[in-house]
Parts: sequence; structure tokens; C-alpha cells
Amino acid sequence: AQTVTQSQPEMSVQEAETVTLSCTYDTSESDYYLFWYKQPPSRQMILVIRQEAYKQQNATENRFSVNFQKAAKSFSLKISDSQLGDAAMYFCALNTGTASKLTFGTGTRLQVTL
Amino acid sequence: SQTIHQWPATLVQPVGSPLSLECTVEGTSNPNLYWYRQAAGRGLQLLFYSVGIGQISSEVPQNLSASRPQDRQFILSSKKLLLSDSGFYLCAWSVLLRDEQFFGPGTRLTVL
Repeated sequence: AQTVTQSQPEMSVQEAETVTLSCTYDTSESDYYLFWYKQPPSRQMILVIRQEAYKQQNATENRFSVNFQKAAKSFSLKISDSQLGDAAMYFCALNTGTASKLTFGTGTRLQVTL
Repeated sequence: SQTIHQWPATLVQPVGSPLSLECTVEGTSNPNLYWYRQAAGRGLQLLFYSVGIGQISSEVPQNLSASRPQDRQFILSSKKLLLSDSGFYLCAWSVLLRDEQFFGPGTRLTVL
């Protein structure tokens, strides 16, 4: 079975500052993908960043980057230069393919303050 | 570019009434299609997925069913809605089962 754990129900960051959202996962598969999705108040799920497990290099997308620690099964998201539009629920998700589904964490609500 | 549509956006239905939610994808062929449900303040739960026309896999036993009558059309149905069917329903598609999924705008269903 696959599990994804997000231990921070809520986080707050000041505009222009940096924040890190935590995620740990568990799977017996060696080949899998990890994702961070953003869900703004509109509730549409938006892909923020993806990481292939076989790649050692951490993925980066503009202000968003991950710290992927495969041995520790940790996959944190760093948001740099936070903007008001970053305020949303952030979900960490795991896909091993054999399960044919995304397994989501419970989410972290990020607030961005002035 | 690919686009995914869902309708209706909002639906209020009485208990015991039927349900039909529709999802269509444009700009791609033979996508994998998914139906998720999100309860308030929770993560997403996969309900059904489909790898091709007429091929449906159910993840959890429930009051709902899914069908895929055309390559890029995915329908979520119920013959008789329960109060517990209330939630936010999201359709998604992917190229590969193991890769990222792209989500539609969702349907908010309230069963009274």
C-alpha cells in the first residue's frame, strides 16, 4: 500500500519570504513519480512540480523547488519569493503506476501575509 | 493544447434522484481518465479510472458508477443519490498511468 503524509495542516509566510512544505511517503516500489499540486479557492487542482524517483537532481520550476530525499522518503516543496497568489492548499501526491492512481496527502493550507 | 471540461459546475439534488456528471477532454487521443471525490477539507479519493473506451476500474465500492462511451468522454452516474454522495468531484486525464494527471474545474454536488 502507498501512503503520503503531510504533517503541517497550515503554514504561514510573509510576502517575498521563503517557505518549505513537508511531505513524507511510503511505497515498496522503486520506480515512481512524486508531485505537488496547488488547489486555490477555485478548487481546481494545478500541477506545481513533478519529480521522477530515478532522477537524483531535484526538480525546479521558477520559484518552486523540491528537496527529494529518496532514502528518507521525503519530498518537501520550497516556495521562494512568496506571492499573494501562492495562497492555496498544497497537496503532495505519489504515483507508482502499478497502483494506477495518485495517492494524495491531506494537504497543507498556505497563507501569505503582507 | 489539451483542455478538460466538466459540467455542470454546481449541482443540488434531492436524495434518491439520479446523477450524471460529464467530463470531456480535447486535444489528445486515448487518454487515461479518472474520477476523484474530495470531501470538505480533505484530500482526493480516486473513484474510477479508465484506460480506454468501455474499460472502467473501480477503486472503492459505492453508490456510483462510471462509463466511457467515447474516447475522450467520461461519465459519472448514480441511480439514487445518498446524502453521503455530496462532495466535490474532479475529473482528470493523463498520458501515462504513472505520470502527472491534469484536472478539470470540478463539480460541486450537494445532496439534500
